[in-house]
Formats: sequence, C-alpha cells, structure tokens
Amino acid sequence: RKEVEQDPGPFNVPEGATVAFNCTYSNSASQSFFWYRQDCRKEPKLLMSVYSSGNEDGRFTAQLNRASQYISLLIRDSKLSDSATYLCVVNFYGGSQGNLIFGKGTKLSVKP
Amino acid sequence: DADVTQTPRNRITKTGKRIMLECSQTKGHDRMYWYRQDPGLGLRLIYYSFDVKDINKGEISDGYSVSRQAQAKFSLSLESAIPNQTALYFCATQGSRAGVTYEQFFGPGTRLTVL
Repeated sequence: RKEVEQDPGPFNVPEGATVAFNCTYSNSASQSFFWYRQDCRKEPKLLMSVYSSGNEDGRFTAQLNRASQYISLLIRDSKLSDSATYLCVVNFYGGSQGNLIFGKGTKLSVKP
Repeated sequence: DADVTQTPRNRITKTGKRIMLECSQTKGHDRMYWYRQDPGLGLRLIYYSFDVKDINKGEISDGYSVSRQAQAKFSLSLESAIPNQTALYFCATQGSRAGVTYEQFFGPGTRLTVL
C-alpha cells in the first residue's frame, strides 16, 4: 500500500462551487499533516496544517480522521485562483527517508 | 528576498556532463532536502541533511551526490548526466525541535534538461 494516496483528479468545478479532496495514509504512527498547494511549474507552498480537532482558514477547512487514517480538504466558494494541484503531506516519526511524505497531488480546475 | 534560492533556474546540458545545482537558505533551518518532480510521479526524495555533518540517501539517490557546505548551503551534483534525469528539481528546508517536525519550505526549482 502506498504511504500517501490521493485521487489525482482533475476536479473540474464552476466558480462558487464547494469541492472536497480526501487523502489516505498508511502509517498509523503519523503525527503531523499538511496540505500544500502547487501551481503549474512552481514550487509547493504550504496551504495549511491539519490539526486533530480540524481547522479552518477562510474558505478552506481541513479535517483529520485518525481512526480511518485519512485527511480532507474542503474548499468553499471556489475561485478561479484556486486552480492548482493540492498535495497531501504526512509526517511520521522514525521514518528513514526524511520525515515528510508527499502525495502525488489532486488537480483542481475552477472554471468561470 | 526569497528565503530559499536555487541556481540555476534552468539548465540544458548534454549526456555525460557533470552538473551542480545549488541551494541557499536564509531561514536558519538545520534540515535541507533535494527532491525531483516528474509528471505523474510526484515529489521524490533524492538526498537529505539534518545538519552539516549529516547526509542521508533518499529513495532515488543513484546517479546523484550532495554536499552540505554550510548550514545555509546544500548542493546537488549529477556526476554524469543522463536523459532520464531530466526533471524539475526542488530544494527544501525545514526547522526542527525535539519531538516536533515542521513544514518544509521550497525553493523555486531548477528545470534541468539532459539531451
């Protein structure tokens, strides 16, 4: 089983829509979780951390379900500028290859 | 000024040439990483360093080497470039504290083409 899995998409949605991405992770010892955003040919940038109790930042809401080992990202009132690839990132202690594992990303395209 | 910089930003080279990609950071982070990104494959870890005296191989280190010249500098070398090393290369930094691991910050990337 892959360590971090995401639906690659693309998700094509109209402006104003609500869209949700899920991500599953395989290591039950994982401790820290993040969502990154990556624009085409640009570097990944942190969108938000994901906390156990769930957290919100404007139109973005992240949630964690430890029992089922998945995290989610909800985007409300989508904007054209939200078009990007969203990377699910999981940290776990004791990893032999650095401490962050990146999913391959989910591509979002917001249309007028 | 950017916290994490990479040079060059673009490079075209020929098979068999030695190439060095450089990364510098002003964030004061101990941890530095080199990744490559290929379409459909996501980010793959090449090498990482937790401090100046610590170098570790990632999942795809064959054909690459690194040097951590100082806390702020981490360079990646391709000893003899081959076409399948054509990719987008990212450097990243990460702060650390006992028991806590933070998010990574990425440089703008180097687009390398090996002909």
